[in-house]
Amino acid sequence: GAVVSQHPSWVICKSGTSVKIECRSLDFQATTMFWYRQFPKQSLMLMATSNEGSKATYEQGVEKDKFLINHASLTLSTLTVTSAHPEDSSFYICSARDPRQGAREQYFGPGTRLTVT
Amino acid sequence: DAKTTQPPSMDCAEGRAANLPCNHSTISGNEYVYWYRQIHSQGPQYIIHGLKNNETNEMASLIITEDRKSSTLILPHATLRDTAVYYCIVRGYNTDKLIFGTGTRLQVFP
Repeated sequence: GAVVSQHPSWVICKSGTSVKIECRSLDFQATTMFWYRQFPKQSLMLMATSNEGSKATYEQGVEKDKFLINHASLTLSTLTVTSAHPEDSSFYICSARDPRQGAREQYFGPGTRLTVT
Repeated sequence: DAKTTQPPSMDCAEGRAANLPCNHSTISGNEYVYWYRQIHSQGPQYIIHGLKNNETNEMASLIITEDRKSSTLILPHATLRDTAVYYCIVRGYNTDKLIFGTGTRLQVFP
């Protein structure tokens, strides 16, 4: 199946700093990618839909000024957590749909574990 | 999208079939049933999906009841590597959004 990668796989940062997480579709072009957040022992929560060449669409309750999303190319979306605080510590996962696949299944990245100290 | 209900946890002996149920009683006619699983600390993995017919692939079988209000994911010969959280998701035809519920934690034991 199609491959989605994320970088970094884990990151530790100090409170107040910003962290950028990359999501890449390695063997297909994705006009739409999705960003999720997952706290320990909880399910994935959809944060936003990243649209290539246009603004991201955020889910209710997600601060767009805190979680900046940029989808500058058909293979790359970035999530920047600005002014990170300990409560932002979480597992961040992206996904993308391979438009070549008629079945519409999504492929997920391996996730990025963010720890804010 | 319709809401799904799954048991929080299940156990299965290695080599036996694992049958994971999902209730989606409010599903509408153009909504698909998708199954994903998440092994600890990894991204979710697509398993299978269906609309109204039963489906089978190399990983699993999906049985959807005639009224479409529930479905069962079947792993025919569970292995220890199938230990994971399994998510049943109902998704509309015209959307790519996946809204995850709480899932079923499947523990396969030797």
